Amino acid sequence: NAGVTQTPKFQVLKTGQSMTLQCAQDMNHEYMSWYRQDPGMGLRLIHYSVGAGITDQGEVPNGYNVSRSTTEDFPLRLLSAAPSQTSVYFCASSREFKGGYTFGSGTRLTVV
Amino acid sequence: AQSVAQPEDQVNVAEGNPLTVKCTYSVSGNPYLFWYVQYPNRGLQFLLKYITGDNLVKGSYGFEAEFNKSQTSFHLKKPSALVSDSALYFCAVRDSGNKYIFGTGTRLKVLA
Repeated sequence: NAGVTQTPKFQVLKTGQSMTLQCAQDMNHEYMSWYRQDPGMGLRLIHYSVGAGITDQGEVPNGYNVSRSTTEDFPLRLLSAAPSQTSVYFCASSREFKGGYTFGSGTRLTVV
Repeated sequence: AQSVAQPEDQVNVAEGNPLTVKCTYSVSGNPYLFWYVQYPNRGLQFLLKYITGDNLVKGSYGFEAEFNKSQTSFHLKKPSALVSDSALYFCAVRDSGNKYIFGTGTRLKVLA
């Protein structure tokens, strides 16, 4: 049982480059979310999904896109990387609305 | 919009003493409240949740939390702290709008 798998674990981008952070879960969870974690700011919600084909914006969506074509996958796309997007990104999923989240191990992104 | 506040950046407690990590929330409607723990360079791990019912909920590793509707609080507690409890603790709230919002985190340091 792999849980929530995030790839890559580390990434360095140049300003203006684009990339996709991958997130996959094998628990048939309907709810998935992307967060970024910055020192002193806790976790901030970027985008979330309540099922395949349904996504919505969180607190800090600008500069990021998501899609949910399958229940398992929820990739996060950075359109044009900026130094302000340097952060640790976490993907999380839960089976039900009232459930606790299972988190991936994170992607540490540095934009130079 | 819902919000979560963790008023203490850091809590220090001696091993064997009881510990409390504070959390207050603001949400319209009935709150769903959660606590998570994060160890260094790891993703978050679910500890416990309050959905409805008994105001005192028990979770993993001997932790419990008390829901207080009048004070809009959901403080995390443990009767006897261990050095291994030292970590970063996050409170989270979910409302009917499907957004799952985290506080800024409290670093717990248990001193031997």
